[in-house]
Amino acid sequence: GQQVMQIPQYQHVQEGEDFTTYCNSSTTLSNIQWYKQRPGGHPVFLIQLVKSGEVKKQKRLTFQFGEAKKNSSLHITATQTTDVGTYFCAGPLKSGYALNFGKGTSLLVTP
Amino acid sequence: EAEVAQSPRYKITEKSQAVAFWCDPISGHATLYWYRQILGQGPELLVQFQDESVVDDSQLPKDRFSAERLKGVDSTLKIQPAELGDSAMYLCASSFGEDSVYGYTFGSGTRLTVV
Repeated sequence: GQQVMQIPQYQHVQEGEDFTTYCNSSTTLSNIQWYKQRPGGHPVFLIQLVKSGEVKKQKRLTFQFGEAKKNSSLHITATQTTDVGTYFCAGPLKSGYALNFGKGTSLLVTP
Repeated sequence: EAEVAQSPRYKITEKSQAVAFWCDPISGHATLYWYRQILGQGPELLVQFQDESVVDDSQLPKDRFSAERLKGVDSTLKIQPAELGDSAMYLCASSFGEDSVYGYTFGSGTRLTVV
């Protein structure tokens, strides 16, 4: 079963509001990755975090990796309708093995 | 931009029939993955290949599922016999490695419906 947990499961915001999704792992991760899946689409890679406490930004998106490398967050500032989709975090639960995905957070943005 | 090719895009099959999916990864990607995604859930790993070798197939229901990547390039996932619970999206992905800084590139998937 999946051992990467994400909250919330759903989030509905008004355009312009901020959005945050949280990811927690039962084990220490060597890295954590974030993906976005648009409705009817496939997951698309956003970013990888490797270092403890790392923070990376992509325009309005801010990604953080926790100090213990067990948790991560994705924050979107001033959401737009183009941000609609499901955001997944994923990490390799064992070194050398494939990513284990969380169940995702589905974001709906109302104009 | 390089893509992971998958076919067919959609497949409807009757239970107890055999079904096969094909994947052609991005050229140069040694690692290939098959994931299954049930509606509303995250992708769940079925099998991971490194070149032609299986790295992890611990979540593959081996009584009915099989996967191969004979020449270390394209791959086939087979289900025989299909069951109603197999209805899902089957996603193929490839990468330079399991912890590649470029992440995984997913194909568009095969939507399987078992009736």
